Amino acid sequence: GAVVSQHPSWVICKSGTSVKIECRSLDFQATTMFWYRQFPKQSLMLMATSNEGSKATYEQGVEKDKFLINHASLTLSTLTVTSAHPEDSSFYICSARTGLITDTQYFGPGTRLTVL
Amino acid sequence: GENVEQHPSTLSVQEGDSAVIKCTYSDSASNYFPWYKQELGKGPQLIIDIRSNVGEKKDQRIAVTLNKTAKHFSLHITETQPEDSAVYFCAASLISGNTPLVFGKGTRLSVIA
Repeated sequence: GAVVSQHPSWVICKSGTSVKIECRSLDFQATTMFWYRQFPKQSLMLMATSNEGSKATYEQGVEKDKFLINHASLTLSTLTVTSAHPEDSSFYICSARTGLITDTQYFGPGTRLTVL
Repeated sequence: GENVEQHPSTLSVQEGDSAVIKCTYSDSASNYFPWYKQELGKGPQLIIDIRSNVGEKKDQRIAVTLNKTAKHFSLHITETQPEDSAVYFCAASLISGNTPLVFGKGTRLSVIA
């Protein structure tokens, strides 16, 4: 299957700082990427849909000014958690679709964010 | 919008036995149903998917069945092995580039050796 990478795999930061997470599709072009957040022992919660060259679409309740998403190329989307607080600590996972009219969605390995 | 219910939330089976996880969906327009396996600390891994034009799909020890009329689909794992232990998520969506997957709440499968 297609490969999606994330960097970093884990990050610890101080409260008030910003953290950037990268999501890359390694062997295919992804016009659409998705960002999810997952708390322990819970399901994946969609945060936003990221389209190359346009603004991301955020789910209800997700602050777009706090979670900045940039999908600058067909292989890279970034999520920046601005002014992070302890409640932002979570497992962040991106996924990418392999094409406009196909449905298969592949996930990255996730990024564990801990805000002290 | 779409809502996906998944049962059971936890499942323990003896090694070699079969495991079945069931999901129901609410939106009759949904036509794509993948299953993901997630191990601790890792991202979900696609293990099998089915589209609404077929009723069953099999890949070695894993099979998925779909009942469009009843709006439910199931994952079947035969001859379970300890390495099958993980959390399994079902999902549903439309076949469309921008349509996100809607996930069930997950099933924690434990295969006891």
